[in-house]
Amino acid sequence: QKEVEQNSGPLSVPEGAIASLNCTYSDRGSQSFFWYRQYSGKSPELIMSIYSNGDKEDGRFTAQLNKASQYVSLLIRDSQPSDSATYLCAVKDSGGGADGLTFGKGTHLIIQP
Amino acid sequence: GAVVSQHPSWVICKSGTSVKIECRSLDFQATTMFWYRQFPKQSLMLMATSNEGSKATYEQGVEKDKFLINHASLTLSTLTVTSAHPEDSSFYICSADPVTSYEQYFGPGTRLTVT
Repeated sequence: QKEVEQNSGPLSVPEGAIASLNCTYSDRGSQSFFWYRQYSGKSPELIMSIYSNGDKEDGRFTAQLNKASQYVSLLIRDSQPSDSATYLCAVKDSGGGADGLTFGKGTHLIIQP
Repeated sequence: GAVVSQHPSWVICKSGTSVKIECRSLDFQATTMFWYRQFPKQSLMLMATSNEGSKATYEQGVEKDKFLINHASLTLSTLTVTSAHPEDSSFYICSADPVTSYEQYFGPGTRLTVT
């Protein structure tokens, strides 16, 4: 059974600091990796996608992928109170569109003003 | 960007009745849509993959006769919860990915409460 593991937190970070979120996955055949942000009572919102080893940056967000270690991370620079949410790591088997996502349980991030 | 809508956003029904939830891709066509369920304090669990013009594929442990899925067009998938029971109360969320992207975009979700 495919598994995606995340530290549930809460992870508390001061405003303006860097928040670091981590995720490991069990299926070595996984090809596509995603980070979603979910506010309480709302549906997930896509933050980042990453498909190849290395770093991918988008604004204040950087996703890192290491397939050999089966490890994905998300860095949030200059953290803002509005970044407080649950961050879900999701994995898909293939690069194509036919597969659903396997989600981790999420990390609850709190940005302290 | 890719926008997915769901209707209704919330519904309350009595035990034993059926409820239909619609999922629409508003600005793209989706041959495949996905249905997820999220219980309180838990993560999203994939229930089924909805395929336009063919039968849905259900995940292990999901009753296909209870959760009926119809994907009648390239922009619409429906999930019908038949003979609903209180344990079916949950947050149901659909997603779709544009053919030009491997990224899945989620609808706003439907909160179902069965009394």
